[in-house]
Amino acid sequence: EVHLVQSGGVVVHPGGSLRLSCEASGITFEDSALHWVRQAPGKGLEWVSLITWDGGRAFYADSVQGRFTISRDNRKDSLYLQMNNLRPEDSALYYCAKPPQSSSWPLEYWGQGTLVTVSP
Amino acid sequence: DIQMTQSPSTLSASVGDRVTITCRASQSISTFLAWYQLKPGKAPKLLIYQASNLETGVPSRFSGSGSGTDFTLTISSLQPDDFASYYCQQYKSYSYKFGQGTKLEIK
Repeated sequence: EVHLVQSGGVVVHPGGSLRLSCEASGITFEDSALHWVRQAPGKGLEWVSLITWDGGRAFYADSVQGRFTISRDNRKDSLYLQMNNLRPEDSALYYCAKPPQSSSWPLEYWGQGTLVTVSP
Repeated sequence: DIQMTQSPSTLSASVGDRVTITCRASQSISTFLAWYQLKPGKAPKLLIYQASNLETGVPSRFSGSGSGTDFTLTISSLQPDDFASYYCQQYKSYSYKFGQGTKLEIK
């Protein structure tokens, strides 16, 4: 059975930093791109970032460009999101997601989500 | 960037009803469109990909159609488990926008 297990929720002050993690089991991790998607309270889904299978290229939503960094360690079957200079509007449930084998889309497998709260 | 407009934002229906949710892209995305189901406290679930392909394990009462700019998700006979939120997403090009979502409520 496929599992994407994410790190626990956290509260951080504005301007602070945080690293989210997502570890896969039951699936070949390194065969596809990986994504982060978020949902702010009472809002819809927002795509955040994508990293290619080998970590060679990364893409970001305008709202996080220059503040967030996506990375992966295929030896550890793990995906990360380094979040710097956090803002209250970054408060959201963050999901990691994996497409099918050898693909960048669609988002077939999802983690359970990590709640990030940015508050004074 | 390609914008996605989804409607309605809320839909009230009864078990057994046939419902349709629409999604419109601001420019052609061919069939690079997926539909997801969200329930509180659960991971999002992929329902449809490439506009009309049913994901493995998804009940056949779900179907998708469309190409270019106009797409629909249809549930042929609503079941109690279907009351949830639904989102379309284009993956033709950056910035991979989702629609605003449709909350399907029990009438």
